[in-house]
Amino acid sequence: DIVMTQSPDSLAVSLGERATINCKSSQSLLYSSNNKNYLAWYQQKPGQPPKLLISWASTRESGVPDRFSGSGSGTDFTLTISSLQAEDVAVYYCQQYYNTPITFGQGTRLEIK
Amino acid sequence: EVQLVESGGGLVQPGGSLRLSCAASGFTFSRHWMSWVRQAPGKGLEWLANIKEDGSAKYYVDSVKGRFTISRDNAKNSLYLQMNSLRAEDTAVYYCARDRSGGTCYYYWGQGTLVTVSS
Repeated sequence: DIVMTQSPDSLAVSLGERATINCKSSQSLLYSSNNKNYLAWYQQKPGQPPKLLISWASTRESGVPDRFSGSGSGTDFTLTISSLQAEDVAVYYCQQYYNTPITFGQGTRLEIK
Repeated sequence: EVQLVESGGGLVQPGGSLRLSCAASGFTFSRHWMSWVRQAPGKGLEWLANIKEDGSAKYYVDSVKGRFTISRDNAKNSLYLQMNSLRAEDTAVYYCARDRSGGTCYYYWGQGTLVTVSS
């Protein structure tokens, strides 16, 4: 199984500042035949299902503010929030869909400093 | 509008069984893989299983293999999860989710149904 490890486990950032969450996979998520990384990022707020923010490591979903961006390739990925807003307080998860079983990172709790 | 509505959760004793349902609407159900994902209280997300559009292929995480069975009824636009031999550690909110074409990530989720395994 592919193990997904996020860092840090929790993060406190001031409003308007940059937040960076890292995700490392135990094997490459880059599929050579299409040059795509099978990595997604989700945001989850209390009492709600996860919300898909980023797919294919860097493709922002429709309606997601452009302050959210994804980067990385192979085994190392990053979710960046360029200017933290109050509504961004949540838990963030990375997920690999390179193969089954699908696996998620343990989550990163983002708070306001 | 895509909607996924889970039902069937509740309190069950260890060793018991429960069948979850997910009613889908707003899209052509028979054209999409579907999945179950769970989240224990205060914990992270765990993918459980998915099923191909026509039900001919199913995949499971090891922790539920042999105990849980995913199935679907395309005529009823419904997804199911039969859960047997339930354990305390199966206590969680269970979500159904629609696989995205071309890659198993999830834009559409239900609101979840809580399963509590306790005596």
